[in-house]
Amino acid sequence: DVVLTQSPLSLPVILGQPASISCRSSQGLVDTDGFTYLSWFQQRPGQSPRRLIYKASKRDPGVPDRFSGSGSGTDFTLKISRVEAEDIASYYCMQYTHWPPVTFGQGTRLVIK
Amino acid sequence: EEQLLESGGGLVQPGGSLRLSCAASGFTFSPFRMSWVRQAPGKGLEWVSTIRGDGTETYYADSVKGRFTISRDNSKYTLYLQMDSLRAEDTAIYYCAKLPPARDGLFSVDIWGQGTLVTVSS
Repeated sequence: DVVLTQSPLSLPVILGQPASISCRSSQGLVDTDGFTYLSWFQQRPGQSPRRLIYKASKRDPGVPDRFSGSGSGTDFTLKISRVEAEDIASYYCMQYTHWPPVTFGQGTRLVIK
Repeated sequence: EEQLLESGGGLVQPGGSLRLSCAASGFTFSPFRMSWVRQAPGKGLEWVSTIRGDGTETYYADSVKGRFTISRDNSKYTLYLQMDSLRAEDTAIYYCAKLPPARDGLFSVDIWGQGTLVTVSS
């Protein structure tokens, strides 16, 4: 099974400043079709998860452009260019290149510094 | 608007059974793989099970294999999760979700339900 390791698990942030979350995979996530099936989800307290990024770097409709996804192979990053109060949440990476099983990272909690 | 609405959660004793339902609306249900994902209190997301759009193939996490059964009724736009031999460690919010997306190059809308809480305790 593919293991996704996120870091840090808790990220103190200052509003208006950038933030970055890492997701490292135990296996390369490029599929035979050339696509990388790595997604990023945001989960605000008390809410369901919401996808922000799919195929490693494509932003979902309605997601603010301050969110960006990058990376390839086994190393991926979610960046927030300027953190806003509504971004305080937990963030998860998920892969389905090598499934089953679908696997999630442990999650990263953004907290106000 | 695409929606998923779970129901059927509650308190059950260890060894007991529960059946979760997930009603879909606002999108064509039958073509898409559907999954159950759970989240234990204060913990992260854990994939539980997936079923193909036509229901012919099912997949399970090792932690639930042999105890849980996923199914769907496309005529009713409904996904199910039959949970038997429940354990304390199955306590979690159970979400139904339209994932994983097909690898057909087309954009697939991400949809999650609001979740239903299952508590396994004596």
